[in-house]
Amino acid sequence: QVQLQESGPGLVKPSQTLSLTCTVSGGSINRGGYYWGWIRQQPGKGLEWIGYINYGGDTYYNPSLESRPTISRDTSKNQFFLNLNSVTAADTAVYYCAKRNPVGGYFEHWGQGTLVIASS
Amino acid sequence: DIQMTQSPSTLSASVGDRVTITCRASQSISRWLAWYQQKPGKAPKLLISKASTLESGVPSRFSGSGSGTEFTLTISSLQPDDFATYSCQQYHSYSYTFGQGTKLEIK
Repeated sequence: QVQLQESGPGLVKPSQTLSLTCTVSGGSINRGGYYWGWIRQQPGKGLEWIGYINYGGDTYYNPSLESRPTISRDTSKNQFFLNLNSVTAADTAVYYCAKRNPVGGYFEHWGQGTLVIASS
Repeated sequence: DIQMTQSPSTLSASVGDRVTITCRASQSISRWLAWYQQKPGKAPKLLISKASTLESGVPSRFSGSGSGTEFTLTISSLQPDDFATYSCQQYHSYSYTFGQGTKLEIK
């Protein structure tokens, strides 16, 4: 059973970069067919897909985030990362990492989530 | 982006009730729709994929239907553990989008 765990600072200053790590256990992130994503939930709002990285290292992002996110990985540590630059208060959210189904674009396994507050 | 709209936003019901939540897409998504259940402070849990395929371990009182632009999630007989927020997600377009969620409350 794949398990995911987010980690990173809970507070980031406006205009700075939000950086989060997702540590995966129970499955290799570079196994063929696996996709690894980031999703967030702003207070009182619905879920918002940020992007994902696939087993080959290719990345795909939500166009509405205007090139601010970058997803990368370290296969030696079985981790993948989210950087979101130029944060504002609107980026305050619970951030989840998740494993996408190999065939369909839905998310089968989720981390517990981590709250990031963008404030000075 | 494909917009996903759920109704109602809040639903009050009692244990044993049959409830239906609707999710509408701004354009056809065929059957590329998933449903999630989320409890306060917890991650979403996948219930249904491809509009009507129940995930392993999900009780059979949950069912999904629909295609194109209109979809429903039905719980046939509410149990105390079912009071939560339910969200739909389209994956027809690679730019995935979610509905705003439906909060199912105890009446």
